[in-house]
Amino acid sequence: DAGVTQSPTHLIKTRGQQVTLRCSPKSGHDTVSWYQQALGQGPQFIFQYYEEEERQRGNFPDRFSGHQFPNYSSELNVNALLLGDSALYLCASSPKDRRPSYEQYFGPGTRLTVT
Amino acid sequence: AQRVTQPEKLLSVFKGAPVELKCNYSYSGSPELFWYVQYSRQRLQLLLRHISRESIKGFTADLNKGETSFHLKKPFAQEEDSAMYYCALSGGMADKLIFGTGTRLQVFP
Repeated sequence: DAGVTQSPTHLIKTRGQQVTLRCSPKSGHDTVSWYQQALGQGPQFIFQYYEEEERQRGNFPDRFSGHQFPNYSSELNVNALLLGDSALYLCASSPKDRRPSYEQYFGPGTRLTVT
Repeated sequence: AQRVTQPEKLLSVFKGAPVELKCNYSYSGSPELFWYVQYSRQRLQLLLRHISRESIKGFTADLNKGETSFHLKKPFAQEEDSAMYYCALSGGMADKLIFGTGTRLQVFP
């Protein structure tokens, strides 16, 4: 099991463009969460998907949207990119067993640079 | 407001010295507390969680609800402990994680 995988590794976009980032969860996991990590900051929660629906959302504008597919993989879309969207985007998956104190497994991240 | 505070951006110690990485939180309710670690060129990974009361790689962390703290401790630091450490909380049951800004631990030989 490769664990959580993300693509692409790096991405450079221009202001105003749109971007799609992809995530495949760890085998056996059904919940995917996305985080944005700006330089020098801790990860900030964007949203979480479970059963192909957005279940929780952090304080991010509607320019940030997502999708989860039947195979539990997920996409993060960002429209009308701003310079401030430059960050490392992390995907995390968690298991079907929804016991307390579950562990989130993180992917390596996608580094997005907006110029 | 839900918040995690890690007051130190950088903590430098010599090998064999004790280490304490501070974490304070603000949360209405009973949160789950975690420490995540990121070694150089590796992905973020869970180090330990308060509910397990475990010691991982010699690290322990005790939840102090009165002081709303969850400090990470190790009696004798090793060079391989050098990494970025993040304290995080969640409301439990698949809730989102709220992270602190992280503390970089440098252990010198």
